[in-house]
Amino acid sequence: EIVLTQSPGTLSLSPGERVTLSCRASQSVRSNYLTWYQQKPGQAPRLLIYGASRRATGVPDRFSGSGSGTDFTLTISRLEPEDSGVYYCQHYVASLTWTFGQGTKVDIK
Amino acid sequence: EVQLLQSGAEVKQPGESLKISCKGSGYSFSNYWIAWVRQLPGKGLEWVGIIFPADSDTRYSPSFQGQVTISVDTSINTAYLQWSSLKASDTAMYYCASPGHNYDGSNFYHSFDYWGQGTLVTVSS
Repeated sequence: EIVLTQSPGTLSLSPGERVTLSCRASQSVRSNYLTWYQQKPGQAPRLLIYGASRRATGVPDRFSGSGSGTDFTLTISRLEPEDSGVYYCQHYVASLTWTFGQGTKVDIK
Repeated sequence: EVQLLQSGAEVKQPGESLKISCKGSGYSFSNYWIAWVRQLPGKGLEWVGIIFPADSDTRYSPSFQGQVTISVDTSINTAYLQWSSLKASDTAMYYCASPGHNYDGSNFYHSFDYWGQGTLVTVSS
């Protein structure tokens, strides 16, 4: 069973800062199957990055994804107030099975 | 525009049955999988299961196998998640989501591209 571990658990940063979120898999995974979501308070999750590095339609270019193997990163180049929320990574394991990381909460000071 | 519209919030007692729905529009509903995701209060996301509307092929997370049933009615472009006997521990927000819309001609990414707004299920005596 592949486990995704996200770090840190919570971040508190100021607008304009650079943010780096980590998603580490317990074993090597296919980059095409690594996805990032954003969930704002009281809202459904929203697709941000798929295939480890491909921005979804309408996602600002301050969001970027990278990584391979067991280590993946979501970067927000310049934090905006509306970026507060919880960020989840997800992996498609195989045979129509998915797993999520536990999430990283981003607070804006 | 792809939309997934879920049924409204439910308040039920333990032991009652429940069926919540997710109606797709703006795309070929039968040809894209519909997944269900649970979010316990204040917690993270858990994949529940998935169904392919065209042939009702259904898969469940081992954690939810036997606990819920996923079904579909293609005549009204609607997928369902149901319980035969609710427990207090089923209290959660449930989302439907649809993967596969980012296929680029050679790669499937299996991301959940579109999401419903969520249905809050509260089970309490």
